[in-house]
Amino acid sequence: QSVLTQPPSVSAAPGQKVTISCSGSSSNIGNNYVSWYQQFPGTAPKLLIYDNNKRHSGIPDRISGSKSGTSATLGITGLQTGDEADYYCGSWDSSLTAVVFGGGTKLTVL
Amino acid sequence: QVQLQQWGAGLLKPSETLSLTCAVYGGSFNEDYWSWIRQPPGQGLEWIGEINHSGSTNYYPSLKSRATISVDTSKNQFSLKLNSVTAADTAVYFCARDPRYGSGNEYDNWGQGTLITVSS
Repeated sequence: QSVLTQPPSVSAAPGQKVTISCSGSSSNIGNNYVSWYQQFPGTAPKLLIYDNNKRHSGIPDRISGSKSGTSATLGITGLQTGDEADYYCGSWDSSLTAVVFGGGTKLTVL
Repeated sequence: QVQLQQWGAGLLKPSETLSLTCAVYGGSFNEDYWSWIRQPPGQGLEWIGEINHSGSTNYYPSLKSRATISVDTSKNQFSLKLNSVTAADTAVYFCARDPRYGSGNEYDNWGQGTLITVSS
């Protein structure tokens, strides 16, 4: 059971927009920063977003991040088949004094 | 360009000790934090712990009693030892860099991953 909660799967058509939610608590998302990762099968995760909404180097502006209260959201517009992957959120947890991740969301581009 | 290369024994028996090392090429080893993160088959990411160049560590609470992360600044390497392994420790283990250029934790460079299987 992951500390951060993500939907197991989301789907949308090519060209459309999708959002992936990440829910936590005051000990993690509520008072710390959120990062987002993309992972293709058999490969290491890739950093997309850090500090809630800052895009990592080379990440296109059709990918965005936001945070409100104890939840964060990853948004992807102009969906492409190449966006099909697993997406994870992460944050520091002040109570655990550890980094915690969501369980991951599988994005399907129909 | 920072590169992380990791290695270690992939097949262990229950009660044995997992040992992994990650070598860092490029970048500023002494300015960053270095983590171990694992991923059980078909599951999500699990943070194991982190270390900096001075040896300051943090561990995930449930693993703290069994995990030891160490650093060798002369070789730009850091290592993970996890003792008394069980089948529940079967996972792909990644080393990763946290450059702390933001205000939180972010992992921008990862090792290739090592599949560790615990089986009798």
